[in-house]
Amino acid sequence: GDSVTQMEGPVTLSEEAFLTINCTYTATGYPSLFWYVQYPGEGLQLLLKATKADDKGSNKGFEATYRKETTSFHLEKGSVQVSDSAVYFCALSGSNAGNMLTFGGGTRLMVKP
Amino acid sequence: NAGVTQTPKFQVLKTGQSMTLQCAQDMNHNSMYWYRQDPGMGLRLIYYSASEGTTDKGEVPNGYNVSRLNKREFSLRLESAAPSQTSVYFCASRGTGGAGYGYTFGSGTRLTVV
Repeated sequence: GDSVTQMEGPVTLSEEAFLTINCTYTATGYPSLFWYVQYPGEGLQLLLKATKADDKGSNKGFEATYRKETTSFHLEKGSVQVSDSAVYFCALSGSNAGNMLTFGGGTRLMVKP
Repeated sequence: NAGVTQTPKFQVLKTGQSMTLQCAQDMNHNSMYWYRQDPGMGLRLIYYSASEGTTDKGEVPNGYNVSRLNKREFSLRLESAAPSQTSVYFCASRGTGGAGYGYTFGSGTRLTVV
């Protein structure tokens, strides 16, 4: 079945540092890929998505590129802020009935001033 | 504001008690989902409803039942709560548009079973 693996956290960075959170996936066919963000005490919000190979999703300074050859969708940001502290989830949606999302385990990011 | 509304936000149950978690969306979405979130395990799908009148099991359905009351509402019921069901529960909805269409999540229900 489909699965998503992302790097374990927590990831602790200083403000303005470069961020990479690795995500790899296993799926049949051509899934759509997503990054969701969860701020403390809140639900998940869609951060960005990509629906086909070589697509780049971007939002709020975050980027991720759909790499089919390496089955990866790594999240990057050039300069993190304290307000980026949250839990980040990589997810995929395949061709299964109901278009269900399969999530990775989440990566907690802590940004220090 | 348009979105997904879950009630209650917090609940403490004793082992063996029953309760229903409510979820409603006002975006005219066809599909609705219930997930549970446990530390280090991401979100796992409990049940989903691809359209009004249909429901299907997800990855972890044991101990739960669901009802798609109408297009707006999708409830999750615990008939006899167990400590293993202590978790944060999220409802989500999704419109048409295939696999590339993102979900909208509610703010969650934090359930503790003692």
